[in-house]
Amino acid sequence: ILNVEQSPQSLHVQEGDSTNFTCSFPSSNFYALHWYRWETAKSPEALFVMTLNGDEKKKGRISATLNTKEGYSYLYIKGSQPEDSATYLCAFSSGTYKYIFGTGTRLKVLA
Amino acid sequence: ETGVTQTPRHLVMGMTNKKSLKCEQHLGHNAMYWYKQSAKKPLELMFVYSLEERVENNSVPSRFSPECPNSSHLFLHLHTLQPEDSALYLCASSQGIDNQPQHFGDGTRLSIL
Repeated sequence: ILNVEQSPQSLHVQEGDSTNFTCSFPSSNFYALHWYRWETAKSPEALFVMTLNGDEKKKGRISATLNTKEGYSYLYIKGSQPEDSATYLCAFSSGTYKYIFGTGTRLKVLA
Repeated sequence: ETGVTQTPRHLVMGMTNKKSLKCEQHLGHNAMYWYKQSAKKPLELMFVYSLEERVENNSVPSRFSPECPNSSHLFLHLHTLQPEDSALYLCASSQGIDNQPQHFGDGTRLSIL
């Protein structure tokens, strides 16, 4: 059974703090790793699609790294702002039309 | 405006009713998806359509029946549902599959009485 785990499940940080969280996925049959941000009462929004081991992607204050050999990806947020409050989801793809999502990390940034 | 529109936003139905969920994408994508989000569970992929052909049916009970009449529209027909089917149903689309980002609709909140 393929499993995708995210940690921590939730965290609270102060405005201005930097934070990071982890997505662990199977290290075999890797095709792509997706990150999404899901704000309350909105639809999930794509952040990154990562396909290469050692890949690092950046979008504003948010960046992500990928290690396919050991099966993990980190998402970093630099200088967190209240508008960063959301649930961050990762999804593992094995390239056979199968996406497996983690349960997400719920981030709350306190002003 | 996400480019993916789902209707209705909320639906309450009895176990013997028949209803349909609708999804429309305005992004010119060639793949569409149905997901189920139950409380405290991860997003669960139900169906994938690529170029209007179903390419994945993730062991979904037959009381859920998808239909993709063209690349812009996706339906989920519901009949004889169970209380455990109460969930948020999300539609998504992408250009290509697996290594392309998906664009999601706002979802339909379904409650089975």
